[in-house]
Amino acid sequence: AQTVTQSQPEMSVQEAETVTLSCTYDTSENNYYLFWYKQPPSRQMILVIRQEAYKQQNATENRFSVNFQKAAKSFSLKISDSQLGDTAMYFCALVIPGTYKYIFGTGTRLKVLA
Amino acid sequence: KAGVTQTPRYLIKTRGQQVTLSCSPISGHRSVSWYQQTPGQGLQFLFEYFSETQRNKGNFPGRFSGRQFSNSRSEMNVSTLELGDSALYLCASSLGLAGLQETQYFGPGTRLLVL
Repeated sequence: AQTVTQSQPEMSVQEAETVTLSCTYDTSENNYYLFWYKQPPSRQMILVIRQEAYKQQNATENRFSVNFQKAAKSFSLKISDSQLGDTAMYFCALVIPGTYKYIFGTGTRLKVLA
Repeated sequence: KAGVTQTPRYLIKTRGQQVTLSCSPISGHRSVSWYQQTPGQGLQFLFEYFSETQRNKGNFPGRFSGRQFSNSRSEMNVSTLELGDSALYLCASSLGLAGLQETQYFGPGTRLLVL
């Protein structure tokens, strides 16, 4: 069975600092996709970044980047120059085409401190 | 383009009642997925509908059911409510099947409280 584990239930970071959120997953498949979603307080969940497993290059989106270690089955999210608006719940998700399921981790609550 | 909308936003029900939640996807999106979000369990996949057909189902009892209409709008029904059904129910839409690595767009959720 496929699983996604986020081992940090809560984290905090000072504004303008860098923070890394951890995500590990388990699958025997070779073709899959990984996502980070962000759920701000009382707001809708939105996609932060996605990574195709067949791509060796780590995905980046402005201040957000991932460290994708396929062999270690690790998919961490790095947020640079943290802003107050980054305060949110962050979910890591795994999708294996053909299984028709999105598998989410339990989330990491990130608080950016002024 | 309007985002995913869910109604109602809040609901209070008592044990044994049933409830119907509604989700309107982004225009042009044909897939709607439903999730249950609780503090301890995170997001649990309920089911996904595509072109009015249920394409996949999570590990929830038969009390949880859904359907999708020809305009892609979807409803989720929970019968014989239990206290443990208290949760935020999220709906997400995507152009194609979410399970084929499509990006999902989430609604604001319906917060259900069962007393």
